[in-house]
Amino acid sequence: DSGVTQTPKHLITATGQRVTLRCSPRSGDLSVYWYQQSLDQGLQFLIQYYNGEERAKGNILERFSAQQFPDLHSELNLSSLELGDSALYFCASSVTGQGISGNTIYFGEGSWLTVV
Amino acid sequence: GENVEQHPSTLSVQEGDSAVIKCTYSDSASNYFPWYKQELGKRPQLIIDIRSNVGEKKDQRIAVTLNKTAKHFSLHITETQPEDSAVYFCAAHSQRVYNQGGKLIFGQGTELSVKP
Repeated sequence: DSGVTQTPKHLITATGQRVTLRCSPRSGDLSVYWYQQSLDQGLQFLIQYYNGEERAKGNILERFSAQQFPDLHSELNLSSLELGDSALYFCASSVTGQGISGNTIYFGEGSWLTVV
Repeated sequence: GENVEQHPSTLSVQEGDSAVIKCTYSDSASNYFPWYKQELGKRPQLIIDIRSNVGEKKDQRIAVTLNKTAKHFSLHITETQPEDSAVYFCAAHSQRVYNQGGKLIFGQGTELSVKP
């Protein structure tokens, strides 16, 4: 168990709908990363937050948004869902957003999203 | 933008042989290079990492080397076992906001198969 908690574990929804994925980082971790992994695909970086502030952005679609709350949990909002958004969405956390400081980035178990 | 190239995409070895996976990165600001092992449908799990001030690191049967000049790093697994079979991802982390923000960009993955 990495200590990163993601809910829901599985979600099935229809095209055009909106869903929210939730992530609770490891105790003490201030930084949260979000990734998308489609079938047989690699890990695509979406966005990173540190202590409530957005700090780095990847190829995140405009239909997607995220935020990190004062209690440090994070939510990834996916709207106007398309079939191609079906994927495994991972959240990861670390103490800071700077790898060289010695902090490791740990992944949660992921949220399986199926759009039908 | 930042990019990490990983080779080979698939690798099949006999039990007891060595396996080598190679990655190159494009962002010269990258300073942290973790390797993750992912089994089907599971979360990526960190197996070893290396920071930019170190050229080589070893942990039992696993070793990683880093050549910052060439922007190249490699994973070496010796005495492979069937349980080493999985997808392995390299990644490069670049700081964007001091001690707070950065991107962890992954390679495309290598599917390692160890045949008994």
